Amino acid sequence: KAGVTQTPRYLIKTRGQQVTLSCSPISGHRSVSWYQQTPGQGLQFLFEYFSETQRNKGNFPGRFSGRQFSNSRSEMNVSTLELGDSALYLCASSLAPNSYNEQFFGPGTRLTVL
Amino acid sequence: QKEVEQDPGPLSVPEGAIVSLNCTYSNSAFQYFMWYRQYSRKGPELLMYTYSSGNKEDGRFTAQVDKSSKYISLFIRDSQPSDSATYLCAMTPGGTSYGKLTFGQGTILTVHP
Repeated sequence: KAGVTQTPRYLIKTRGQQVTLSCSPISGHRSVSWYQQTPGQGLQFLFEYFSETQRNKGNFPGRFSGRQFSNSRSEMNVSTLELGDSALYLCASSLAPNSYNEQFFGPGTRLTVL
Repeated sequence: QKEVEQDPGPLSVPEGAIVSLNCTYSNSAFQYFMWYRQYSRKGPELLMYTYSSGNKEDGRFTAQVDKSSKYISLFIRDSQPSDSATYLCAMTPGGTSYGKLTFGQGTILTVHP
């Protein structure tokens, strides 16, 4: 079965712009989590969605937002981009959040902010 | 101070060596412990998952969790060049936070022939 897909795979933006990243979970998976990966900070949790509702949020400024659609697909948005937002953004899906279920990661979107 | 500490390495070993990777953590609420492997330009993939304290073995891989010391380990026996990757420990308290993983920095491992 198809894995988690993320689009686009690569993105170059300039400071002050905004960006939207997309994630399609594995079929049947209803929980989606987003992470930011940088060489300095490693993998950091951004937020988690289930049934179109945000369940958890990490310690990121309000410029980072997300949403989930009825088909479980998710998007995240970063407004007023800063140089420090350059990172690999990873999406992970799992069956449901009410017990331990493996999180399957997509290949990520590499965002470069100039 | 980070909730999860992991030596970033890099770690370089000869083929066939036993590799030991470790993480320490400070949050006693963590109950579920995972090891992920990440190849270059790929997303992380789950290697091992352990609930609470104890050992778990899967082929050449053994995961250990010592909650009393807040210390987890991953051992790789008979390491192969294909094991060259970044290894990330991750953990969660569960409950309302199953989907929120806290990761270590990752250890870069190179196994040379």
